[in-house]
Amino acid sequence: QVQLVESGGGVVQPGTSLRLSCAASGFTFSTYSMHWVRQAPGKGLEWVAIVSYDASQEFYADSVKGRFSISRDNSKNTLYLQMNSLRTEDTAVYFCARAPSNRWHVFDYWGQGSLVTVSS
Amino acid sequence: QSALTQPASVSGSPGQSITISCTGTSSDVGAYNFVSWYQLHPGKAPRLLIYDVTNRPSGISNRFSGSKSGNTAALTISGLQAEDEADFYCSSYTGSSPFYVFGTGTKVTVL
Repeated sequence: QVQLVESGGGVVQPGTSLRLSCAASGFTFSTYSMHWVRQAPGKGLEWVAIVSYDASQEFYADSVKGRFSISRDNSKNTLYLQMNSLRTEDTAVYFCARAPSNRWHVFDYWGQGSLVTVSS
Repeated sequence: QSALTQPASVSGSPGQSITISCTGTSSDVGAYNFVSWYQLHPGKAPRLLIYDVTNRPSGISNRFSGSKSGNTAALTISGLQAEDEADFYCSSYTGSSPFYVFGTGTKVTVL
């Protein structure tokens, strides 16, 4: 069955960096585009970024553009989110989610999330 | 691009039907039939319930149904069950950055 497992979260200080990983299994990872979505404490979901199945295209929310970078290693079935210049408002649970072929607007499978806390 | 508007909470008794609205604009919900609905239980992976306004993925109960009229989409849960108690979010494609926007979320309580 499809499984997505996020890791790499933790407590960091403002201005520092962190890299999240999302290990995928149960499907052909290299044929699916992948998203990152976040949820701040007590708040709603916010789309963060998407990378195409072959990493040829990336798109970001304005709130993270220029600071975050989404990437993938299809040989390792792993999605990444490099987060730089972190701010307190980046504190959230970060989910990775799969996008079905030709339906990038659908998040059909999700991981359980990884908590990132940005605090001094 | 603002979040789509959902009621903060909706409640119902077991067996009843409830409807959650999701109001956007003519640039997102009204422009595309690309509305999806998700169920979130605390500590668990979110689950896709409905995509492209009305379609259910395999394995999703037919108690969940979706619709759309103009700039407002809706999720109806019929035959409400205790296990339906959760947070629900809609999402829509927007055609421009940010390309995907979520709703404000609705907490469903089964009385």
